[in-house]
Parts: sequence; C-alpha cells; structure tokens
Amino acid sequence: DGGITQSPKYLFRKEGQNVTLSCEQNLNHDAMYWYRQDPGQGLRLIYYSQIVNDFQKGDIAEGYSVSREKKESFPLTVTSAQKNPTAFYLCASSMVPDEKLFFGSGTQLSVL
Amino acid sequence: QKEVEQDPGPLSVPEGAIVSLNCTYSNSAFQYFMWYRQYSRKGPELLMYTYSSGNKEDGRFTAQVDKSSKYISLFIRDSQPSDSATYLCAMTSGGSNYKLTFGKGTLLTVNP
Repeated sequence: DGGITQSPKYLFRKEGQNVTLSCEQNLNHDAMYWYRQDPGQGLRLIYYSQIVNDFQKGDIAEGYSVSREKKESFPLTVTSAQKNPTAFYLCASSMVPDEKLFFGSGTQLSVL
Repeated sequence: QKEVEQDPGPLSVPEGAIVSLNCTYSNSAFQYFMWYRQYSRKGPELLMYTYSSGNKEDGRFTAQVDKSSKYISLFIRDSQPSDSATYLCAMTSGGSNYKLTFGKGTLLTVNP
C-alpha cells in the first residue's frame, strides 16, 4: 500500500529538548511538506522540499529544522527555540508539478 | 484582509440535507482550487480538485469556482453521518510556486 507514514502518533517534549518527527513516503513523490495545525488556525507551512538535499522555509520556520537526504524521508526537528510547540503536525507529499497533496496521519506534539 | 476566508462553523444538519460550504479569496492569481476532508485527529484527504472556473461533480459532491467573484463552494447532496468532518478549502497559483494557501476549515456534523 502506497502512502505516507508519520511517527510517532503522540510525542511529548520537555523544556529545552529537541524532538524529531519522522515522515516517510513510498509514493515516489518529489515534493514533501511539513504543516502545523492549531485549533482555529488552519494549516500553516513550516518547510517544504522539492528535491533531495534542498528545502525552503515556509511561513513559520523559526524554531524548526529539516533535512532531505533521501527522496522518501523528510524528518522535522522541533528545537528548544520553538517556544510554543504544542500542535498537530502534518507531513504531506506531492508529485511536482502536481499541486495535489497527500497527507500522513499526523503527530500530536505536547509539552510536559 | 486574509488571503482565504472560510466560515469555521460549526455547521449541523440532518441526514439527507444538502450542505453548502464556501470560501472567499483575495489573490486573483489563484487558479487551482481544492477541497480536503479531515476527520478528527487524522490527516486531510483530497476530496475535489478544480482548475480555473466552473463546476466539477463527483458522486454526491460538487465543487464550484467563480473566479470573477473570488468565491468557491463545495456542495454535498444527500449528506450522511459519515460526512461529519472538517472541510478545508485550499488554493494555489501553480507555476513554480506549489505552496497551497488553506482556509481555516468548517466543522460539519450530519445528524442521523
């Protein structure tokens, strides 16, 4: 079954800790994205990558970092600089230049 | 003015009703329009995809785009309890910019 796998489903972060959210896709899509979803805020773009070893900041990149070493993988690190990390994080992918996004099932990050 | 405006609801209808969901936008460069359905604590799934103006029908769902008014709609006929979800509109200008702009979502409940 082709799809996008996000793990873990739930994650807890302590003060001053960096945490990494995993995103893997087997759809052979070139582009991958990370979105943050807060209640009543809709989806906001954190980072996106259209090709391996290249990525661009989205609208709310501060306090986050990413890497794209493999086509299938696009992990997101929430650093200690992100002061309000509690949110639902969604990874997505698409065929370039197709704009249709396919989403993973999300990771809920909370602060202890 | 926000780029995309969407009434957050909540919207509650009886089973079998016709549902109308709407978004307005301000960026005249948008030409690709999408509707995503998101069940609680799940990733959004693409429901309808439309290019430029006009109507598109898929089963009980009809997407309508009026570029002159900068207004898009999603109609659901014979609504079912399984349609209960948050509906997100999304749009992009396409080209070299594949970033989608999302509405905040409308929460729909269909009561049996």
